Amino acid sequence: AQKVTQAQTEISVVEKEDVTLDCVYETRDTTYYLFWYKQPPSGELVFLIRRNSFDEQNEISGRYSWNFQKSTSSFNFTITASQVVDSAVYFCALSDAIQGAQKLVFGQGTRLTINP
Amino acid sequence: DTEVTQTPKHLVMGMTNKKSLKCEQHMGHRAMYWYKQKAKKPPELMFVYSYEKLSINESVPSRFSPECPNSSLLNLHLHALQPEDSALYLCASRGLAGSYNEQFFGPGTRLTVL
Repeated sequence: AQKVTQAQTEISVVEKEDVTLDCVYETRDTTYYLFWYKQPPSGELVFLIRRNSFDEQNEISGRYSWNFQKSTSSFNFTITASQVVDSAVYFCALSDAIQGAQKLVFGQGTRLTINP
Repeated sequence: DTEVTQTPKHLVMGMTNKKSLKCEQHMGHRAMYWYKQKAKKPPELMFVYSYEKLSINESVPSRFSPECPNSSLLNLHLHALQPEDSALYLCASRGLAGSYNEQFFGPGTRLTVL
């Protein structure tokens, strides 16, 4: 069975601090896909990144970076120089579907609060 | 246009009412999803349509009835709901052609059942 664990329920930091959101996953599949979504108070889930299991390259996009390590089954997300607009709930998700319905297994989410 | 729209934004209904939620996308996506999200919980999958056909029903009670009239529209018909059905209902769509594609979500409908 697939499982995603986000052990940090809530994180609160002061603006401009760096913050890392942890994500640990479990799957027996050799091919799988990992995602991060952001959910601001407005409710919409905003897609941030997709990573394939066969691509362990880390990725940086502006202040956001992702560290994928298959050896520890982790896909962590770091925000550098955090801003108040980064305040949201962040979900890590896992899928084994290449085609078809693509069922996403979500973690419980991490509520991030950036204080001015 | 990379947007999924949902109407209404908010809905309050009684347990005897019949109402419908609407979702629309114009990205040419051929998979569409309904999720239910309770406060402080992750989204839970309810239904998946692929090429306008129902492909997944996650054992959802029959008081929720999905409908996909065409490739751009997805409805969720509600009847005889319970107060515990109050939640944020999210729609998502995903392309099925080409390489692997992610799901794009709409802003949701906040449903309150009295």
